[in-house]
Amino acid sequence: SQELEQSPQSLIVQEGKNLTINCTSSKTLYGLYWYKQKYGEGLIFLMMLQKGGEEKSHEKITAKLDEKKQQSSLHITASQPSHAGIYLCGAALYNFNKFYFGSGTKLNVKP
Amino acid sequence: DTEVTQTPKHLVMGMTNKKSLKCEQHMGHRAMYWYKQKAKKPPELMFVYSYEKLSINESVPSRFSPECPNSSLLNLHLHALQPEDSALYLCASSQMKRQGANEAFFGQGTRLTVV
Repeated sequence: SQELEQSPQSLIVQEGKNLTINCTSSKTLYGLYWYKQKYGEGLIFLMMLQKGGEEKSHEKITAKLDEKKQQSSLHITASQPSHAGIYLCGAALYNFNKFYFGSGTKLNVKP
Repeated sequence: DTEVTQTPKHLVMGMTNKKSLKCEQHMGHRAMYWYKQKAKKPPELMFVYSYEKLSINESVPSRFSPECPNSSLLNLHLHALQPEDSALYLCASSQMKRQGANEAFFGQGTRLTVV
């Protein structure tokens, strides 16, 4: 959706390198979510951020929410081939149950 | 159980056929969603059901007809589809909190091909 801008669109990194994906909303956020998707499959929930300044981590993936900027970043430390896939940010916009996605970031991790 | 189950996984149908996609969850979630995802695009919201009532319809053509027979089941009835309707159809569910964000769980999707 145009309400959620995600960057970069694609990313190729060497195994072991760190990387960051950004998601910016032009509308008020009622929650910001990060999902991972393998091609043609369902979405795997990674993290949900609700409050400004909130930061969550799961294994080597960390996400932060800057509520003032209406922006979130997803950071992967020491990337592995298993991190490859499409990362989607999603947000509840307009109300808590109207849920939209950013355009996605395709990540390849070279061994 | 944090699973959303969608059936069938794959479906091929002709433009004159009538078929249905099914979605089931047993997490007690009272919001359920249908999304359509074309290749290399993010999922697009189609419908939202809240407490078994249709609350959001994102201007979806009438050849797609959603139904929520109970709090655990969500169907999407398909009739007279076009080849451009071929896509991955994703179902999701979430709690219905009045305040605060709701974590949405997604099924694996149904890959629909219209011939």
